[in-house]
Amino acid sequence: SQQGEEDPQALSIQEGENATMNCSYKTSINNLQWYRQNSGRGLVHLILIRSNEREKHSGRLRVTLDTSKKSSSLLITASRAADTASYFCATALRGQNFVFGPGTRLSVLP
Amino acid sequence: DTAVSQTPKYLVTQMGNDKSIKCEQNLGHDTMYWYKQDSKKFLKIMFSYNNKELIINETVPNRFSPKSPDKAHLNLHINSLELGDSAVYFCASSQGSGGNQPQHFGDGTRLSIL
Repeated sequence: SQQGEEDPQALSIQEGENATMNCSYKTSINNLQWYRQNSGRGLVHLILIRSNEREKHSGRLRVTLDTSKKSSSLLITASRAADTASYFCATALRGQNFVFGPGTRLSVLP
Repeated sequence: DTAVSQTPKYLVTQMGNDKSIKCEQNLGHDTMYWYKQDSKKFLKIMFSYNNKELIINETVPNRFSPKSPDKAHLNLHINSLELGDSAVYFCASSQGSGGNQPQHFGDGTRLSIL
């Protein structure tokens, strides 16, 4: 099964609302990263949070990490139609490369 | 000034054919990757090269053969294409391996097998 799994699988909200996506993983990690994928495009890196960090911000994005629960959340505040995309978490196991979750499809309705 | 570029963007071919996908990055990174994304959006790593040396080789049929002529290029050759090979193939690069740095992705090659 996937090391990182996002929840929910799909999310529809109105423009201006906040969107929260969650990621759970199974084993100890070095760091966790969030990526966005617009339709027909490659993945774009959003935020990297290290295992000794609890929260990180970047513009309208806020990422939290709870290593005791093996979970992370991505909050997008004041969403825009341009935020419509799939969002993936990726976990880096010690000495190994990324394992991506199946993603959350976010639709922001105007 | 595209950072990671893949060619071709679309590839439609018959079962049994051999095809290649090329990838180039101009970011000066030392690690490059090939991923396969299926129709359900699952993204799985196939190969990873660090300084032209193969470091990750997941369970991939040996019909798939990567080649890295230099640090900036990683090509993927596929022999005897099968229907199940239909997917989007992404190339990515990062500075350093081990998953401690962000990866930069190309826009993918959409492979369709008829």
